[in-house]
Parts: sequence; structure tokens; C-alpha cells
Amino acid sequence: GIQVEQSPPDLILQEGANSTLRCNFSDSVNNLQWFHQNPWGQLINLFYIPSGTKQNGRLSATTVATERYSLLYISSSQTTDSGVYFCAVEETSGSRLTFGEGTQLTVNP
Amino acid sequence: DAGVTQSPTHLIKTRGQQVTLRCSPISGHKSVSWYQQVLGQGPQFIFQYYEKEERGRGNFPDRFSARQFPNYSSELNVNALLLGDSALYLCASSPDRGRVQETQYFGPGTRLLVL
Repeated sequence: GIQVEQSPPDLILQEGANSTLRCNFSDSVNNLQWFHQNPWGQLINLFYIPSGTKQNGRLSATTVATERYSLLYISSSQTTDSGVYFCAVEETSGSRLTFGEGTQLTVNP
Repeated sequence: DAGVTQSPTHLIKTRGQQVTLRCSPISGHKSVSWYQQVLGQGPQFIFQYYEKEERGRGNFPDRFSARQFPNYSSELNVNALLLGDSALYLCASSPDRGRVQETQYFGPGTRLLVL
């Protein structure tokens, strides 16, 4: 099956800093989503982005499908951005999402 | 509009018992998927159901089973519980199955602890 690798595994920032999270995947995909998991376990949709670039407030994402990677940018980070960020992909052969291991982000005041 | 709902929120069972978890998809969504998330890891796919039929199954033993009802809600059953089944069980819904450019929406999950 498809492999999904996220980096870095852990990231500690001061409030106001910018960060870039990376997701590499091993095969062509139909779907790529970025999620934020809050401390209560809820997975919150950030972006559906199988290709191209999208922006939503302080967050933006870029997927380069031909090179099999996606980047999530967080600007002017806030303490509420803390949590685990997951990248998940759907293979062209099926409809299941395969998740990476996540990036644990901690934003300190 | 209500999002994906799951019940119960928390559950404690002992080894060997059986458990049933429930999920109601977003109104109008016909596809429901189940994922298991062990502490410190990303969610792992268990099942997908569409129009009451199983459309995909992950690498889980036969102790895991599921079904989907005519109203598109779903149940996940786990028999003969093991300590390793302790996890957050997540349900996701999407409007249709297999379409390109389809987003999955997740519920809050059920935390299962097996003692």
C-alpha cells in the first residue's frame, strides 16, 4: 500500500513564529487532506488539496502531485494551533484514507 | 447542520467482552468509514460502507465487523476484546464512494479502554 511520511515529528515554536510541515507520499493519489487533531481527539479538516495551492487565513497548503509531496504552512502561530497535524491520502485504487504519523506542534506563549 | 456523531464517547470493557460503537453520518452522506487510532499513531482504516454494502476492509482480524443501516448510520462491533484494542475509534462520512475530489469528515470518536 501507499506510504505516507510526515516531517518533522515534533515541532516547538514561540507564539508568532511561522512553520512548514511536510508530507511525502509514495504513489499517485486521488485525494490529500490535512487535518488538525485537537487535544480531545477531534480531527478537524483543514484542507482538501490533491494538487495546487489553497489558503485559509493564517494557514496555507501546497501539493505538488507530480513530485508526491504536500506542504502545510502556518504563519503567525498561536497557542491554539497546538496539537497534532495529520496528512492523509487516498490512493487512486481505492477510497480509504492512509494517514501519516503526524506532526506534534506545540506553540508556547 | 449537525456533523458526524458517535456514541458512546467513552467506554471501558474487560478482555473477552464484546463492544458496539455507533455512528451517524452527516445528513445526505451515504458513505461511512471506520478508523482505529492507537495512542501516538495516525488513524488506521478498518472498514468502509456505502449503501449498506462493505466497500473496503483494512488489515484487521475477523473479530471486527460492521454494518450500515438504511438511514446510513453504522455500527462497529468488536468481539473477544484484547488489551490492544484500546484506542480511539473514529467514524468518517462522505457524500459518495470512490468519487475523485471527495472530502471525508470525522466524528469526535469513541475512546475504548480494555482492561
